[in-house]
Amino acid sequence: AQSVAQPEDQVNVAEGNPLTVKCTYSVSGNPYLFWYVQYPNRGLQFLLKYITGDNLVKGSYGFEAEFNKSQTSFHLKKPSALVSDSALYFCAVRGWNNRLAFGKGNQVVVIP
Amino acid sequence: GAGVSQSPSNKVTEKGKDVELRCDPISGHTALYWYRQSLGQGLEFLIYFQGNSAPDKSGLPSDRFSAERTGGSVSTLTIQRTQQEDSAVYLCASSIDRDSSYEQYFGPGTRLTVT
Repeated sequence: AQSVAQPEDQVNVAEGNPLTVKCTYSVSGNPYLFWYVQYPNRGLQFLLKYITGDNLVKGSYGFEAEFNKSQTSFHLKKPSALVSDSALYFCAVRGWNNRLAFGKGNQVVVIP
Repeated sequence: GAGVSQSPSNKVTEKGKDVELRCDPISGHTALYWYRQSLGQGLEFLIYFQGNSAPDKSGLPSDRFSAERTGGSVSTLTIQRTQQEDSAVYLCASSIDRDSSYEQYFGPGTRLTVT
């Protein structure tokens, strides 16, 4: 069965600094990888996905993620964090069985 | 256009009572998912409906949990004889799901509190 690990519970970053949220995955076959963001008292919003092709994918709100097959990673990045980026971020992987497995989530706190 | 909607947004119930949670998916989405989000536990898959196929119920935690999807659209998640450990946010998502590459769109969730 597929699984995702998000090793850090919380990521603190100063506004304007680069933001990285780490994700590693395990899946049989080709991975379909997703990042979602959850703002307080809201549902999850889709940010970006990797299906095939270029390892660097760009998504909403200036976020991007890099797929690294050898390291089985799909880290989320943003060059310059905003206070409004403070939220809960989930990495997810989908395998052949259509089941989407989520990580536990990372709380991102952007400090003004 | 309209997104995924869920009702009620909040539900407080007494231990032992039954509850029904409703999900209206995005029109035209053939796939519908239920997840449970507990504090610090991430998202737990519960059940997956795809078109007219038999649902994937492998994530339901006990036989107190059941779900239906009528007419390929609206879904109801029922929890019988609720327990305090059932307290969580229940999220519904829908997707086009022609294949595994399609993302899911989530509703705002129903926060269930069992007292």
